[in-house]
Amino acid sequence: AQTVTQSQPEMSVQEAETVTLSCTYDTSENNYYLFWYKQPPSRQMILVIRQEAYKQQNATENRFSVNFQKAAKSFSLKISDSQLGDTAMYFCAFMKHDKNAGKSTFGDGTTLTVKP
Amino acid sequence: NAGVTQTPKFRILKIGQSMTLQCAQDMNHNYMYWYRQDPGMGLKLIYYSVGAGITDKGEVPNGYNVSRSTTEDFPLRLELAAPSQTSVYFCASSYLVASGGAADTQYFGPGTRLTVL
Repeated sequence: AQTVTQSQPEMSVQEAETVTLSCTYDTSENNYYLFWYKQPPSRQMILVIRQEAYKQQNATENRFSVNFQKAAKSFSLKISDSQLGDTAMYFCAFMKHDKNAGKSTFGDGTTLTVKP
Repeated sequence: NAGVTQTPKFRILKIGQSMTLQCAQDMNHNYMYWYRQDPGMGLKLIYYSVGAGITDKGEVPNGYNVSRSTTEDFPLRLELAAPSQTSVYFCASSYLVASGGAADTQYFGPGTRLTVL
């Protein structure tokens, strides 16, 4: 079974600064996907960024980028130029590359507060 | 496209009551999922379905049942509600990438907040 660990329950950052959220996972699989989801107070789960394990290049989406270290099983999220709207809970998730499954395992989340 | 819709948004049940949480998607996704999220925690998989007529258990299936008679709908049934089932329930769907043979990104509904008293 896969496990996902987010070791930072809470973090804060000043507006316009950069923050990094950490995520480690444990798996014996070689093919998989990793995701970061954002959950604002509205509770809606919003996909932030997605990484395929076979790709060495780190995924980026505007101000969001990841540092994917496959050997270390680490998948951190960097948010640049933080904005007040980035305040939310962030979840790291793992999905095995399996046509019979497609199930995700989620970490327990990191609550990020962006301060003005 | 409405995406993934869930009804109701909120519900309060008494211990022992039953109810069905509705979930529908209009994206023609073949995979659908039910998760629960307890306060301050991540999502845990209750049940999932890889297509109409096919369902399987996730991590925490006890006390729940599902059915998938159509591609669009995936209702979750709670029988004999218990306080331990107080949670926020999320439905999600994803599409099987035929060339890769694997499911891809999940799209989530807005959630149903259930309280059992």
